[in-house]
Amino acid sequence: SAVISQKPSRDICQRGTSLTIQCQVDSQVTMMFWYRQQPGQSLTLIATANQGSEATYESGFVIDKFPISRPNLTFSTLTVSNMSPEDSSIYLCSVETSGLSSYNEQFFGPGTRLTVL
Amino acid sequence: AQSVTQPDIHITVSEGASLELRCNYSYGATPYLFWYVQSPGQGLQLLLKYFSGDTLVQGIKGFEAEFKRSQSSFNLRKPSVHWRDAAEYFCAVGVSSYKLSFGAGTTVTVRA
Repeated sequence: SAVISQKPSRDICQRGTSLTIQCQVDSQVTMMFWYRQQPGQSLTLIATANQGSEATYESGFVIDKFPISRPNLTFSTLTVSNMSPEDSSIYLCSVETSGLSSYNEQFFGPGTRLTVL
Repeated sequence: AQSVTQPDIHITVSEGASLELRCNYSYGATPYLFWYVQSPGQGLQLLLKYFSGDTLVQGIKGFEAEFKRSQSSFNLRKPSVHWRDAAEYFCAVGVSSYKLSFGAGTTVTVRA
């Protein structure tokens, strides 16, 4: 398993500003992911972040809006840029680890609850 | 593209009663299948997963799920629920173990 922490746990921001969310893992992992969970909805994958390469974004998400860094195998950041109230969501990072069965498993951080006024 | 449907938005069950949450997926081959639970204010916790082999999968917290290829289903069950099981449950599928597609979730309320 992996222990994942996120900072901040929650924040209230003004529209037009940017917020950087940090994700820290207690072990080295190859793949990290960023998800968005809008109020009352399910999780949507924003992007996949591999160390040493550019993040891969899903349809509907762009780097200018959600720049991601992955400087090493235990850390990643997601920035929500030029925020609007529609960006109010829970943002979760997850990591892929190798389970005992040799199949990879995905573990999630506690999330960052963002409210944009 | 793969997709997953959780037909029940909200289920209320009495403490001690059995629980079954439905999940149907759409994918050409056998996908990886997962159930996650999200307690209020918490992140997601993996309950169980199915990749291959025995179609009845045991998970944590007394949960189990059964993969039925003919019905494209992966329903989650628990014989006797506890008040601590009140949470939101997400079924997820993926063509590999990453890049998951999540269902809309089922909120479970447990009444005393």
